[in-house]
Amino acid sequence: GENVEQHPSTLSVQEGDSAVIKCTYSDSASNYFPWYKQELGKRPQLIIDIRSNVGEKKDQRIAVTLNKTAKHFSLHITETQPEDSAVYFCLLGAGGTSYGKLTFGQGTILTVHP
Amino acid sequence: DSGVTQTPKHLITATGQRVTLRCSPRSGDLSVYWYQQSLDQGLQFLIQYYNGEERAKGNILERFSAQQFPDLHSELNLSSLELGDSALYFCASSATGFPGASGPYEQYFGPGTRLTVT
Repeated sequence: GENVEQHPSTLSVQEGDSAVIKCTYSDSASNYFPWYKQELGKRPQLIIDIRSNVGEKKDQRIAVTLNKTAKHFSLHITETQPEDSAVYFCLLGAGGTSYGKLTFGQGTILTVHP
Repeated sequence: DSGVTQTPKHLITATGQRVTLRCSPRSGDLSVYWYQQSLDQGLQFLIQYYNGEERAKGNILERFSAQQFPDLHSELNLSSLELGDSALYFCASSATGFPGASGPYEQYFGPGTRLTVT
C-alpha cells in the first residue's frame, strides 16, 4: 500500500507564528493531496486541497505546496490563532495497482499558545 | 454540519456480537467511504463504495463487511467483535469516486459512531 510519512507529530507555536506540516509519500501516481483538521471529539474537516497540476494553493491564512519531484506536500498556516489548535492529517490516494486505496498521515497535534 | 449522517452515535456491545453502522451521504454524492479511528492506529481507511459498487479496499478485516444500497446509503457490518474493535467509525461521502476525475472529490465526514466493545 501507499506509504505516507507526516512530520512533525507534535508542533507547539506562539500565537501569530507560522506552522508548517509536511507529508512525504512514495506513490508517484498520486494526484490529489488534501489536508484535514480534526478538533477534539469532532469529525475531520477538509481545510485545503491541491491537485498534481498545481504547485501551490492559498486560502487566506492556509496554503498547501506540492513538490511532485521530491514527493512531498506541506501545509502552511500563517498568523496562527488559538482556534487553529487541532490535529491535522494529510490524506493520500494510491495510484497504480492500489488505485483508490486511501492512506492518512499519522497526524500532527498543533498547539497554538496565546 | 457536513450533510453526512451516521447512526447510531454510540454503541456499546459485548465481545462476539455483531453490529451494523449506518451512513447516509450528502445529497447528490455517489461515493461513500468508511474509516476507523483508534488511539493507537490513527485514521484507517476501510472501504469505499461508488454508486453501489465496491471501489477500493483498505485494511478491512474479514469480520467486517459493507454495502451501499440503491438509495446510496451505506451500512458497515462488524461481526465477532473483539475488544480491539472499539473505536470511532467515520463515514464520509464525495460527489465523485475518483481522485483523477475533474469533478469534486472532496470528502465530507459524518459525526462518527463510537463503538465500545466490552
